Amino acid sequence: GAGVSQSPSNKVTEKGKDVELRCDPISGHTALYWYRQSLGQGLEFLIYFQGNSAPDKSGLPSDRFSAERTGGSVSTLTIQRTQQEDSAVYLCASSPGIYEKLFFGSGTQLSVL
Amino acid sequence: DQQVKQNSPSLSVQEGRISILNCDYTNSMFDYFLWYKKYPAEGPTFLISISSIKDKNEDGRFTVFLNKSAKHLSLHIVPSQPGDSAVYFCAAWDTNAGKSTFGDGTTLTVKP
Repeated sequence: GAGVSQSPSNKVTEKGKDVELRCDPISGHTALYWYRQSLGQGLEFLIYFQGNSAPDKSGLPSDRFSAERTGGSVSTLTIQRTQQEDSAVYLCASSPGIYEKLFFGSGTQLSVL
Repeated sequence: DQQVKQNSPSLSVQEGRISILNCDYTNSMFDYFLWYKKYPAEGPTFLISISSIKDKNEDGRFTVFLNKSAKHLSLHIVPSQPGDSAVYFCAAWDTNAGKSTFGDGTTLTVKP
């Protein structure tokens, strides 16, 4: 497909387990972003990549969160030792270059029991 | 400290009338603003943007106005259609710092 693809679409996990969320950006898009939307809240910026590097990681909520991007394409957001407050929709977006309009995926609904 | 605020959580208008969605910001370093629309179970989709060097940008039924002195932007939809019913987010970029901030969203309902 031509859009941003995220997997899984839904993930239910137990407190304390690790999870990996995947994002396939639109081919050729150099910038990739991760956001989180908790219930009833706006979009919370987590991290962005320009190519494979992440200039700003300050949005990550804690050191349990990490992200990487390989080959200037696929990105993985990893949450270690998940907590109930991590439950949210995790959205990935890409853009042709930074500061341009973002194209969002449908998100991963994460539920931590 | 929320730097981008959408003070109206919801808005209801009649089909054919104008919808006005508002957004206020506090960071004077923001220089690029965007509006996104989000349907349930989908990611946000880009709607319209405006650079801080402009005060108005128009695209079909959608117009965004920027008042830099008041740190306020608004999205006008004319005429409103039932298919416009969605959550609308405003977003602001500080391009020098490389940071973007979203508002909490306004749910628009357009009644037939």
